Amino acid sequence: DQQVKQNSPSLSVQEGRISILNCDYTNSMFDYFLWYKKYPAEGPTFLISISSIKDKNEDGRFTVFLNKSAKHLSLHIVPSQPGDSAVYFCAASAKNNDMRFGAGTRLTVKP
Amino acid sequence: ETGVTQTPRHLVMGMTNKKSLKCEQHLGHNAMYWYKQSAKKPLELMFVYNFKEQTENNSVPSRFSPECPNSSHLFLHLHTLQPEDSALYLCASSQGSLNTEAFFGQGTRLTVV
Repeated sequence: DQQVKQNSPSLSVQEGRISILNCDYTNSMFDYFLWYKKYPAEGPTFLISISSIKDKNEDGRFTVFLNKSAKHLSLHIVPSQPGDSAVYFCAASAKNNDMRFGAGTRLTVKP
Repeated sequence: ETGVTQTPRHLVMGMTNKKSLKCEQHLGHNAMYWYKQSAKKPLELMFVYNFKEQTENNSVPSRFSPECPNSSHLFLHLHTLQPEDSALYLCASSQGSLNTEAFFGQGTRLTVV
């Protein structure tokens, strides 16, 4: 049962433009959401998170939006840079439960 | 450097072998995890240890056996694996297991032949 879904396996954008990565979830008990970034040959690293009491969290070039009614969140990167090229994982957790991850979206930012 | 170290980085083993993966964290965290990442699949949570006690086992086959001797070390003992067990095995740790950021090791790329 895949509770966190990233339906786009890959995304390619031009340097300087906006990258939008999407994530959908099915478990309405999830109340905390995270994005992780993974480079080849490295483990995932935490990027940004959002609690279900908010609908937006911003950290520099990265903004996460949460739409609870649609059970959807997205990560916006603007402006995109070639160094942002990586696999991005969406994750969600609920109280008394552990984190569930999506399958990841491979972002390629072209110079 | 995330503070979570996994060894070995790569492992090739036969189906009749016994091997162990090791994870060590220097972050003072009290929860440690094993995840499996297969190609084009979500990260799958395998085991959770909180304060050295196993709190979750997501129906993992018994050919995978975890061990957590203390809150800084986590092992995954492997025996009689199948080729479909070939994957990237990731260790992570966090301060508590609820709604907290997890720190991941670099993973062990396991190939079963």
